[in-house]
Amino acid sequence: EVVMTQSPATLSVSPGERASLSCRASQSVSNYLAWYQQKPGQAPRLLVYGASTRATGIPARFSGSGSGTEFTLTISSLQSEDFAVYYCQQYNNWPPAFGGGTKVEIK
Amino acid sequence: EGQLVQSGAEVKKPGESLKISCKASGYSFSRYWIGWVRQMPGKGLEWMGIIYPGDSDTKYSPAFQGQVTISADKSISTAYLQWSSLKASDTAMYYCGKFGGDEPIWFGEGGSWFDPWGQGTLVTVSA
Repeated sequence: EVVMTQSPATLSVSPGERASLSCRASQSVSNYLAWYQQKPGQAPRLLVYGASTRATGIPARFSGSGSGTEFTLTISSLQSEDFAVYYCQQYNNWPPAFGGGTKVEIK
Repeated sequence: EGQLVQSGAEVKKPGESLKISCKASGYSFSRYWIGWVRQMPGKGLEWMGIIYPGDSDTKYSPAFQGQVTISADKSISTAYLQWSSLKASDTAMYYCGKFGGDEPIWFGEGGSWFDPWGQGTLVTVSA
């Protein structure tokens, strides 16, 4: 089974700053990688699929990159509504799997 | 894109059975895989399994195989997750999700991402 590892576990960032979140796969998942945002008390929301394609309605400040085993979600200028937990998920291999998440908190 | 609405919170005792639901609207229910994700208190997301409502083909993550049953009734556009004998360790929030994309395409070996998601059903198992 593919293991997805996200780092860091917690990222402290000031509003307006750039945030880079990492997701590493234990073996290649090609570009079959999605990113989700989850706020407290809410269901996850899709941000990116296919490693770099933004979902409908997602602001341009969110961008995904990478392929194979190394992926990055970049938030170019953090807004107050972006402080949340972010998860990656691979769907190239069986079974699909989520990473452990990165919490983006206010510095 | 569609919408998924899940059944309400449940409080059960160990050993009891339970079936929670996820009602779909706004898309062709039979054509898209729909799945379930567990989130234990304070923890991350765990991919459980999926069902294709068109023919009830079902696939489970090994960690959940034999622990739960996923089913669907395409006549009422509803997917289900059920337990025959609950344990305290089943206490969690459970989300349903539809496979994403404008067309029901299967990618790689894992299928697809989830979009949209239901609002979640909290299951509490306590004596």
